[in-house]
Amino acid sequence: EVQLEESGGGLVQPGGSLRLSCAASGFTFSNYAMSWVRQAPGKGLEWVSAISGNGVSTYYADSVKGRFTISRDNSKNTLYLQMNSLRAEDTAVYYCAKGEGIAVAGKYYMDVWGKGTTVTVSS
Amino acid sequence: EIVMTQSPATLSVSPGERATLSCRASQSVSSNLAWYQQKPGQAPRLLIYGASTRATAIPARFSGSGSGTEFTLTISSLQSEDFAVYYCQQYNNWPRTFGQGTKVEIK
Repeated sequence: EVQLEESGGGLVQPGGSLRLSCAASGFTFSNYAMSWVRQAPGKGLEWVSAISGNGVSTYYADSVKGRFTISRDNSKNTLYLQMNSLRAEDTAVYYCAKGEGIAVAGKYYMDVWGKGTTVTVSS
Repeated sequence: EIVMTQSPATLSVSPGERATLSCRASQSVSSNLAWYQQKPGQAPRLLIYGASTRATAIPARFSGSGSGTEFTLTISSLQSEDFAVYYCQQYNNWPRTFGQGTKVEIK
């Protein structure tokens, strides 16, 4: 069974840093692109970042570019999101999701999602 | 950035009735359009990809159509478990973008 489990969320002060992890199981992790999507309290879904299966290509939403870094360790089947210079507006549930589709063309949707981890940025 | 606009924001439907949700893209996304369902306190679940292909284990009452800039999700006969928020998302261009969601509520 394909499973994704996020961890690393918590309370952090504005300007602080946090690293989220997403442990994957049940599939060949290195073969699939992965994404992070967040949802602020009471709001809709916002795509944050994505990374190709080999980790070479990365993509970011403008709202996090220059502050967040996506990475992966295929030997550990783990996806990461390093979040720096955190702001109140980064408060959200962060989901990791597995990409499926035509990966070589960059056309992949998100077919499996984790349960999410909550990040709260507040003083 | 491609803007995805969903309508209506809220749809009130009686169980057993048909629900039609719309999603419009600000520029063509070809057929690279997915629909997700989200219930309170849960992660989103993939319903439709490629604009019209049902994901694994999704009931046949869910169907998707459209291409280019206009898309529709139809739920043919609403069941109690279908009351939720539905999001469309384009995966044709970077950055990926979601619609703001349509809440399907019990009438």
